[in-house]
Amino acid sequence: GIQVEQSPPDLILQEGANSTLRCNFSDSVNNLQWFHQNPWGQLINLFYIPSGTKQNGRLSATTVATERYSLLYISSSQTTDSGVYFCAVEHGDSGYALNFGKGTSLLVTP
Amino acid sequence: DGGITQSPKYLFRKEGQNVTLSCEQNLNHDAMYWYRQDPGQGLRLIYYSQIVNDFQKGDIAEGYSVSREKKESFPLTVTSAQKNPTAFYLCASRGGGENEQFFGPGTRLTVL
Repeated sequence: GIQVEQSPPDLILQEGANSTLRCNFSDSVNNLQWFHQNPWGQLINLFYIPSGTKQNGRLSATTVATERYSLLYISSSQTTDSGVYFCAVEHGDSGYALNFGKGTSLLVTP
Repeated sequence: DGGITQSPKYLFRKEGQNVTLSCEQNLNHDAMYWYRQDPGQGLRLIYYSQIVNDFQKGDIAEGYSVSREKKESFPLTVTSAQKNPTAFYLCASRGGGENEQFFGPGTRLTVL
């Protein structure tokens, strides 16, 4: 199956800092989504981004499908940004289910 | 409000018991999915259904069963055959203009 690798696995930032999270995938994909998992376990949709660039407030994402990677940018981080960020890709098999990376665990300190 | 609901939030099971986790959506999505998450890991696919009365095994289906009698509902049964059922279970549906997947709040299952 398709492999999804996220880096770094862990990240500690001071409030106000910027960060870049990376997602590499091993094959062409139909869809790519970024999620934020909050401390209660809820997966919150951040971006649906199979290609191109999108921005939503302090967050933006870029996917370069031809080179099989996606980047999530967090600017001016806040303590509420803490949690685990997942990249997930839809490969077209298994009924368009998502294949997840292991996530990047982010801690933003005051 | 449109969304996906899962119940219960927490579930405790004795070894040898079957338990059923509920998943309901009012988004009018055709496709629904069950995933399992273990600590420090990403999500893995258990079962999926693209249409009512049809479902398919995912990567880790052994010890689980599902049904899809209504478009809105996709319950998951964790049977006694599942060797290590303690985990966080997440249900999702797929649809909308961009065919995004959306997730419910999850059920934490603990086997005592």
